[in-house]
Amino acid sequence: DAGVTQSPTHLIKTRGQQVTLRCSPKSGHDTVSWYQQALGQGPQFIFQYYEEEERQRGNFPDRFSGHQFPNYSSELNVNALLLGDSALYLCASSRTGERTEAFFGQGTRLTVV
Amino acid sequence: AQSVTQLGSHVSVSEGALVLLRCNYSSSVPPYLFWYVQYPNQGLQLLLKYTSAATLVKGINGFEAEFKKSETSFHLTKPSAHMSDAAEYFCAVSSNDYKLSFGAGTTVTVRA
Repeated sequence: DAGVTQSPTHLIKTRGQQVTLRCSPKSGHDTVSWYQQALGQGPQFIFQYYEEEERQRGNFPDRFSGHQFPNYSSELNVNALLLGDSALYLCASSRTGERTEAFFGQGTRLTVV
Repeated sequence: AQSVTQLGSHVSVSEGALVLLRCNYSSSVPPYLFWYVQYPNQGLQLLLKYTSAATLVKGINGFEAEFKKSETSFHLTKPSAHMSDAAEYFCAVSSNDYKLSFGAGTTVTVRA
């Protein structure tokens, strides 16, 4: 079982650019959540996708958007990047109806310069 | 709404000593509670979880936590610290809406 995989592992972008991060959930999982973890802080919930729709959203601006595909994989898009968007972006997958555990990927380290 | 507060951003212990990390939660519904560990430049790994069954929960790597409703606490302990326990630890709470709300984290250093 490959677990949750994220790509890329690192990337550097310039202010104002757009970025797309990708996540493949653990086998058998149908729900994908995205978190932002700034340096020295705990992860903050961005949004959650289930059945290809955004089911919940945290306190993040509309510059942050996402998508879930029929195979349950997901993308996180961030437009008009700001320096403050520099963070580790974590993807977590789970099975709907089982509130007991979310499995996390290794994360994507985004640096905005 | 739910939230957790981790008391102490840094904890330093000697190898072989007790590790105690404190977490208090706030939740309007019966919570599910979790402890995760994060090693440098890595994602989060689940240590243990409380899901309204036994109040004393045993996890991986010798860690355990006790759910105390009267104190709204879910403190993490390990009787004897090992050098490999040096990491960042996060307490998290989940209510009925599946998302996890994390604390700010506690960094553990282990002295030889």
